[in-house]
This record gives sequence, structure tokens and C-alpha cells, in this order.
Amino acid sequence: EDKVVQSPLSLVVHEGDTVTLNCSYEVTNFRSLLWYKQEKKAPTFLFMLTSSGIEKKSGRLSSILDKKELFSILNITATQTGDSAIYLCAVITSGTYKYIFGTGTRLKVLA
Amino acid sequence: EAGVAQSPRYKIIEKRQSVAFWCNPISGHATLYWYQQILGQGPKLLIQFQNNGVVDDSQLPKDRFSAERLKGVDSTLKIQPAKLEDSAVYLCASSAQDGRPNTEAFFGQGTRLTVV
Repeated sequence: EDKVVQSPLSLVVHEGDTVTLNCSYEVTNFRSLLWYKQEKKAPTFLFMLTSSGIEKKSGRLSSILDKKELFSILNITATQTGDSAIYLCAVITSGTYKYIFGTGTRLKVLA
Repeated sequence: EAGVAQSPRYKIIEKRQSVAFWCNPISGHATLYWYQQILGQGPKLLIQFQNNGVVDDSQLPKDRFSAERLKGVDSTLKIQPAKLEDSAVYLCASSAQDGRPNTEAFFGQGTRLTVV
């Protein structure tokens, strides 16, 4: 059975800290891995990773994929209270383009 | 570009009643997804359409849930009869899936269903 596992499930940090969120997967027909940020209801897209070892970066956020070890990490440096959200990892399968989500990591950044 | 539209935003019903949710995807997006997200969990795929055909409905409780996308554009998801455990946010998403590299799914604001 295809599955995506995220860790930790929740995290509380102080502003300015750096956090690393983890996502491991076991799927057949892997195509891409995506990270989403969910603040209220609608997840918003952060990154799509398809190739191993190539870091994607956007401001204080960065992510990388390891297709050999079947995991990805999302780093957030100099965290701000606005980073408080649930971070979702999803894997897309080839062929049917099915999205399989992990349970998410709930991040809370304290002022 | 207009986003994915969903309605209603909130719905409260009693158990055993029926309810319907509507989704209008981004124009031109061939793939439409319905997800159920229970509090504290990640989104769980209920059904995936490619145009007006069903690609995956393996996790759809077909005894009470149904969905359609008759003209390959907007879609409705129905629950009849509702149970308490159906209380969740129902998210609709769409993606282009036309072979371009950046074919991420875009989500609507969701419908929060409370069954009492």
C-alpha cells in the first residue's frame, strides 16, 4: 500500500529558530513530491521536487529530495509567527497522477 | 487566473440527512480531486476525475457517498445519509495534468461539514 509519513507530527519553536520537517514515502510509480502549507483550509503550494539532490529554494524555505532513500526535507530558517501552519507532503504517482498525502506536521512559532 | 471555487463554505446537518457540495475547478484543468480532511489528519482522496471519467474512487464509501462530473468541468459530491464521522473539511482540487512539468494541484477553500 502506498504511504507517505511525516515527522514530527507537531513542533513548537520560537521566532528565529530553524526547523526541519521530514517526509518519507513508499509508493509505486513515483513521479514527484510536493510540499504544501495549510493555514486555514486551502493548502497552498510551496515546492514540487522531481529530481534527487536538487534544492528548491524560496526565501527562507528550502527543500530537497532523496529518491534513493525515499525522503524529502523542508527547511525553514529564521522562523516567523506567520510560518505557523500545517505543512503537508504529498507524492504524485505516474500514470494516474494520484496525490497521496501525509498526515502533516503542525508547526507553531512563538513570538 | 480564477482559483478553485467551492460552495458552501460551511454546512451543519443532522445525521441521516443528505448534503451536497459543489466544485468549479480552474478553467482548462482536466483533473479534479475530492478530498476529505478530518481534524488532525492529512487529506484523504475520495475520488479523482480525469475530464468526466473516474480515475480512482477506491476510498469513496460508495454506500453513502457519490460524485459526478458530468460535463468534465464542475463537480458535485453528495453524502446520503450522513453519519457523525463524516464531519470533516471537504477539499476540491484541480490540476492541468497535460504533461507540463509544473502540474501541481490547486485547492479550493473547502467546505466544513458538521454532522450533529
